[in-house]
Amino acid sequence: DGGITQSPKYLFRKEGQNVTLSCEQNLNHDAMYWYRQDPGQGLRLIYYSQIVNDFQKGDIAEGYSVSREKKESFPLTVTSAQKNPTAFYLCASSPRISSFLPETQYFGPGTRLLVL
Amino acid sequence: AQSVTQLGSHVSVSEGALVLLRCNYSSSVPPYLFWYVQYPNQGLQLLLKYTSAATLVKGINGFEAEFKKSETSFHLTKPSAHMSDAAEYFCAVSDPRPGGGNKLTFGTGTQLKVEL
Repeated sequence: DGGITQSPKYLFRKEGQNVTLSCEQNLNHDAMYWYRQDPGQGLRLIYYSQIVNDFQKGDIAEGYSVSREKKESFPLTVTSAQKNPTAFYLCASSPRISSFLPETQYFGPGTRLLVL
Repeated sequence: AQSVTQLGSHVSVSEGALVLLRCNYSSSVPPYLFWYVQYPNQGLQLLLKYTSAATLVKGINGFEAEFKKSETSFHLTKPSAHMSDAAEYFCAVSDPRPGGGNKLTFGTGTQLKVEL
């Protein structure tokens, strides 16, 4: 089955610890995205990548880092600099970045990050 | 900058009643508009999207939305609510201009409750 997988489903972080959230897609999509979801705030864009080895900051990139070494993978690291990391993290992908068509973003099931 | 406002963070309807979820957008150019649904602890699923081809857009599960430029609105409706429609609904806008990056700006969401 084609789709987006995120792991783990739940992740616990200790003070001062970096943690990495996994996102893998087998849809052959060019673009991938990371969003953070907090209650009552909707989704906010952290980082996005249009092609391999390239990525751009979104609206709330501080305290996060990403890499895009492979087309199918876009891991997100929550660093110790992110002081309020408790949230639901969603990864998405879309076929390509097109200036002429509204590309649908397809979402993974999410990872819930909790601070111990 | 683009933005989306969803009026009513919680909406409650009776089973069989009309569902109306409101979305107003702000954009300097004709935007692309989307409605997504999220069930508890899951990712987002696309309901429908506005591509500028037709102002009335039909989506999955009997939902539809009408793009009204004069009112800057894209409200979501369903003639008859079903218990399975209980979920959180997000309206989103994307920038269609070159360099927009297919980034989505989300509203804060509307939680729909369906009562017997």
